[in-house]
Amino acid sequence: NAGVMQNPRHLVRRRGQEARLRCSPMKGHSHVYWYRQLPEEGLKFMVYLQKENIIDESGMPKERFSAEFPKEGPSILRIQQVVRGDSAAYFCASSPAGTGGYNEQFFGPGTRLTVL
Amino acid sequence: KQEVTQIPAALSVPEGENLVLNCSFTDSAIYNLQWFRQDPGKGLTSLLLIQSSQREQTSGRLNASLDKSSGRSTLYIAASQPGDSATYLCAANFGNEKLTFGTGTRLTIIP
Repeated sequence: NAGVMQNPRHLVRRRGQEARLRCSPMKGHSHVYWYRQLPEEGLKFMVYLQKENIIDESGMPKERFSAEFPKEGPSILRIQQVVRGDSAAYFCASSPAGTGGYNEQFFGPGTRLTVL
Repeated sequence: KQEVTQIPAALSVPEGENLVLNCSFTDSAIYNLQWFRQDPGKGLTSLLLIQSSQREQTSGRLNASLDKSSGRSTLYIAASQPGDSATYLCAANFGNEKLTFGTGTRLTIIP
């Protein structure tokens, strides 16, 4: 059973470009979470999704950031018009469905975004 | 506000010693707590998960405890090795499906 997969592992963008980060959850997992780790800071929750639904986006910046988890395919975190402050490691985690918050989350290797 | 704190931020100990890493949280209504290891520039490796109904979990040389009433968790590492050098993160699930992370303790084991 493959773990959580993220790609690309490293992404370089120039200011103003778009960044698309992909996450494939573990097989059988239907809950996906995105976290961001800024340089020298802890991980911060961004968004929690289930298939075709955003459940909690309280940690997402109000502008330029969006996330989706379609019925088929990976979850996508999209950052439009990137700025240098978006440079960070973005981690995806997944968990199986429905035990009311007791699930263990399994993390992917992360995507390291560098904005030039 | 639900917060997780890890003190100290960095710790150095000689190889072979036993050590304890600390994690504190502000809300006793915790669902579970996970301990992770992160190597520089790498992802997170899950070490132990403690559910709110449990008091401790063990895996090899690692033992994690949870005391909800005092808002504390500890990660005990026995017979430390240079390969244990990494940043250790604790993360609490307060029942809202998202993990709240501490800022980590950077552990260095001195050969």
